[in-house]
Amino acid sequence: QMQLVQSGPEVKKPGTSVKVSCKASGLTFISSGVQWVRQARGQRLEWIGGIVVRSADTNHAQKFQDRVTITRDMSTRTVSLELSSLSSEDTAVYYCVSGTVFPLGLSPFDSWGQGTLVTVSS
Amino acid sequence: QSVLTQPPSVSGAPGQRITISCTGSTSNIGAYYDVHWYQQVPGTAPKLLIYKNTNRPSGVPDRFSGSKSGTSASLAITGLQAEDEAEYYCQSFDNRLSGVVFGGGTKLTVL
Repeated sequence: QMQLVQSGPEVKKPGTSVKVSCKASGLTFISSGVQWVRQARGQRLEWIGGIVVRSADTNHAQKFQDRVTITRDMSTRTVSLELSSLSSEDTAVYYCVSGTVFPLGLSPFDSWGQGTLVTVSS
Repeated sequence: QSVLTQPPSVSGAPGQRITISCTGSTSNIGAYYDVHWYQQVPGTAPKLLIYKNTNRPSGVPDRFSGSKSGTSASLAITGLQAEDEAEYYCQSFDNRLSGVVFGGGTKLTVL
């Protein structure tokens, strides 16, 4: 199981972009997939997308098709989520999660980051 | 509206047994995709409770169990304890949406 530590809270203006990072420790990083899930206050969990660490292959929810970029840096064991064209509806806690089942979409999320609050406000 | 449907709330007295349902369709649970369950205590990140329909990660008490049949899955908790009070979510894959889907969450209240 990996330990995931995320970057700190962000406050952004509508129309701008945000980048959230997730640093992994543990032996299974290269053989894992890291995904992103968000949760608006009092709302359900919502899957955004993910990356296979070894190959850098990505997938994401159709809803975020044109706005999301997920990357990984093997040297720093970091996975990043960038979300563009922000609106107030993107205000949420963003979690990075990991699993080792492939394809990515079938994996349970056995490790969770602590969450990063992204607030979009003018 | 969630692709997977859960009851908004359930409740039970200490020591009792409760179940939480997760109803999907032929494009997710009914297409033989596995169901996973998470427990979320307010203010904290969710925690994996059941994976691949029926399996418990190490450290999860055997009071928690999962099952799956047709287009639905269920989480059962026996010997209810005050510490079980939390929000519970189911997760699966949907081949029509080509992605991970979650239930709307069920708030468990221990009376």
